[in-house]
Amino acid sequence: ILNVEQSPQSLHVQEGDSTNFTCSFPSSNFYALHWYRWETAKSPEALFVMTLNGDEKKKGRISATLNTKEGYSYLYIKGSQPEDSATYLCALLGGTSYDKVIFGPGTSLSVIP
Amino acid sequence: DGGITQSPKYLFRKEGQNVTLSCEQNLNHDAMYWYRQDPGQGLRLIYYSQIVNDFQKGDIAEGYSVSREKKESFPLTVTSAQKNPTAFYLCASSMNGQVNQPQHFGDGTRLSIL
Repeated sequence: ILNVEQSPQSLHVQEGDSTNFTCSFPSSNFYALHWYRWETAKSPEALFVMTLNGDEKKKGRISATLNTKEGYSYLYIKGSQPEDSATYLCALLGGTSYDKVIFGPGTSLSVIP
Repeated sequence: DGGITQSPKYLFRKEGQNVTLSCEQNLNHDAMYWYRQDPGQGLRLIYYSQIVNDFQKGDIAEGYSVSREKKESFPLTVTSAQKNPTAFYLCASSMNGQVNQPQHFGDGTRLSIL
């Protein structure tokens, strides 16, 4: 059974700190990796779609890297702000269609003002 | 604004009752999806549809049914055969069902058993 893991499960940082968390997946079943941000009482919002080994994507203060050979992706937030508080989900697409999608359990980030 | 609308926000089901969760999108997306979230777990795929009048089972389709009669609509019925229906349900869509396209999500429906 394929499994996607995210670590840490939760994280509390001070405003202004930079932080990062990890999404781990079986490297043999990779077609794409998605990152989503899910704020409380809102709907999940797509951050990045990553498809190539070595991919690096950036959106404002948030960036992500991908290593498909070793099966992990890092999400970095530079200078965390309270509005970054959310659960960050990664999803492995293990085939060409969504019947192979596996979501990780998420990393919950709280940024303390 | 374009987006995905799920209704109702909260739903209560009696034992032995079927209930239907609504999902409508005005993004002109071809593909739509239903997920279930349980505490401490990742989202799990129930059903997905890449075109009108066609849909496929996901990992946990037992006890659920769907229809896709219109491009904009993808309702999910939780049948009495689903023995543990209490969960948070999310509907999503994507442009064409290709894995290099991100999904857009609704706000979810929380279903509870009375």
